[in-house]
Amino acid sequence: DQQVKQNSPSLSVQEGRISILNCDYTNSMFDYFLWYKKYPAEGPTFLISISSIKDKNEDGRFTVFLNKSAKHLSLHIVPSQPGDSAVYFCAADRYNSGGYQKVTFGTGTKLQVIP
Amino acid sequence: DAGITQSPRYKITETGRQVTLMCHQTWSHSYMFWYRQDLGHGLRLIYYSAAADITDKGEVPDGYVVSRSKTENFPLTLESATRSQTSVYFCASSEQGRETQYFGPGTRLLVL
Repeated sequence: DQQVKQNSPSLSVQEGRISILNCDYTNSMFDYFLWYKKYPAEGPTFLISISSIKDKNEDGRFTVFLNKSAKHLSLHIVPSQPGDSAVYFCAADRYNSGGYQKVTFGTGTKLQVIP
Repeated sequence: DAGITQSPRYKITETGRQVTLMCHQTWSHSYMFWYRQDLGHGLRLIYYSAAADITDKGEVPDGYVVSRSKTENFPLTLESATRSQTSVYFCASSEQGRETQYFGPGTRLLVL
């Protein structure tokens, strides 16, 4: 049962345009969401996060939007640059009964920014 | 080297053999994690540890064993490797439970 879903395995965008990556989740207990970026042959690196008490968080060219009622979040990259070409993972966090962090990752979306 | 490292980076083994993947972090982070990345599944949590001597199962723990005798090390052992364990394995750490995770470069494992 995939609790965090990224339904688009890949996305191609022209340089300078907006990239929108989407993520849906099913577990209403998730209350903290993160995006990670991964280049080939490297580990994922943290990009941006958002708490469920917010509906938007912005960091430079990257903005994450959260719609709790729809259990949906999206990552906007404006403007897109060729160096943004990578796999993007959505992740959702909740405390389990033991009080420890337990993060669930989505399947990833491969973004290609075309020069 | 500062940060989080994994060894080996590449490993080929045979079905039934025991394999240990090493993970070392220099930040003294409390939390450490093991994930596997497979096409169509993204990153799936195998085991995690909240502190030395505290470990717990993740989403796909079967066939794996972990230990955490020291804060900085979190080895992952495949007791009897199977072909379905062919994957890329990532180790990660975080300072506290609600913080971002820092990933190692990964170990690519092939089980023949």
